[in-house]
Amino acid sequence: NAGVTQTPKFQVLKTGQSMTLQCAQDMNHEYMSWYRQDPGMGLRLIHYSVGAGITDQGEVPNGYNVSRSTTEDFPLRLLLAAPSQTSVYFCASSYSAPYNEQFFGPGTRLTVL
Amino acid sequence: SQQGEEDPQALSIQEGENATMNCSYKTSINNLQWYRQNSGRGLVHLILIRSNEREKHSGRLRVTLDTSKKSSSLLITASRAADTASYFCATDTGTASKLTFGTGTRLQVTL
Repeated sequence: NAGVTQTPKFQVLKTGQSMTLQCAQDMNHEYMSWYRQDPGMGLRLIHYSVGAGITDQGEVPNGYNVSRSTTEDFPLRLLLAAPSQTSVYFCASSYSAPYNEQFFGPGTRLTVL
Repeated sequence: SQQGEEDPQALSIQEGENATMNCSYKTSINNLQWYRQNSGRGLVHLILIRSNEREKHSGRLRVTLDTSKKSSSLLITASRAADTASYFCATDTGTASKLTFGTGTRLQVTL
């Protein structure tokens, strides 16, 4: 099993550009989520999904879009990148709700100039 | 807002010593989890303790939970250089489908 995979590992964007961070898992997990990690802030929840076709907002959803068309994939879209979105982004999944062990991807380091 | 706050923010010890880090949270919880993050990597799950449990062990890890004080502690015994990492607590309320992380403790274990 590959576990949770994220692409790309690094990305540099200019302000106003858009991009999609990819996340995939091969563990048949229903629950998937996106976090951003900033120095001194810990991890903050952006969006999450409890199953295919179902998504909801987390703590810091503004500027981000998600969709969940399949169980395996949970892409995160930045529509108009801003310097404030410079961060490390982690995708995570778990068997059901977040009340279980979360499996994290390796992260995407994003810089917005 | 952060649900959990770890204390201390940073801890430096020598190999073989014990490391204790604490987590305080604000609202009633269903479960509390601890995670480890090595530099530049994703988080790895260490242990989960439920709200009706007071203590749990896993290898060199010992976690306690005091729901009356809304706090938890993670003890790593006989620390090793490989334990150098950041440690995060994470809580869920059991109702909202969200896991909330604290700000983390950076542990440095020196030889």
